[in-house]
Amino acid sequence: GAVVSQHPSWVICKSGTSVKIECRSLDFQATTMFWYRQFPKQSLMLMATSNEGSKATYEQGVEKDKFLINHASLTLSTLTVTSAHPEDSSFYICSASSPQGRAEAFFGQGTRLTVV
Amino acid sequence: SQQGEEDPQALSIQEGENATMNCSYKTSINNLQWYRQNSGRGLVHLILIRSNEREKHSGRLRVTLDTSKKSSSLLITASRAADTASYFCVGGFQKLVFGTGTRLLVSP
Repeated sequence: GAVVSQHPSWVICKSGTSVKIECRSLDFQATTMFWYRQFPKQSLMLMATSNEGSKATYEQGVEKDKFLINHASLTLSTLTVTSAHPEDSSFYICSASSPQGRAEAFFGQGTRLTVV
Repeated sequence: SQQGEEDPQALSIQEGENATMNCSYKTSINNLQWYRQNSGRGLVHLILIRSNEREKHSGRLRVTLDTSKKSSSLLITASRAADTASYFCVGGFQKLVFGTGTRLLVSP
């Protein structure tokens, strides 16, 4: 099956610094990737849709200047949390749309971000 | 994408027992998918059932779909401790919007 790799698995950073999270499709090309955020014991909240070669589409209430998304190639999307604050601490997960237009999505392992 | 609402929110059973989770949705769908999330991990696709199907099996999983009631169920037979996870249902295509899920705890 299709594999999506997310890196890092966890990161601790100081307030005010920026953190970059990578999402790679390892064995297929993903023109579209999705970024989610999840708080403990809650559901996944869709943050944005990342489109290769164009600007990301953000969901309502998600600050695009805070969460920078870059999808520069067909196998890599990055999410940069800029000027991170403790309230940005969360679990971030990416997914990639299936090859051949199938409905199911393939998810990365997630990144646990802790801002201190 | 069509967000599903899972029920119950939490389910606790013993190993070997069956676990049944239900899902309801609001508008018409072309397909419905079930995903599993182990604690602190990403999601894993379990099974997809199309709107013209009523039942589907995959190993110990059995999914039903009732489009007239806009509901689905996921049955895990002969549960194992490793089945402990959160389970989500979602309708639609690729851009998926998730409900709160069912947290399943299988005790040895």
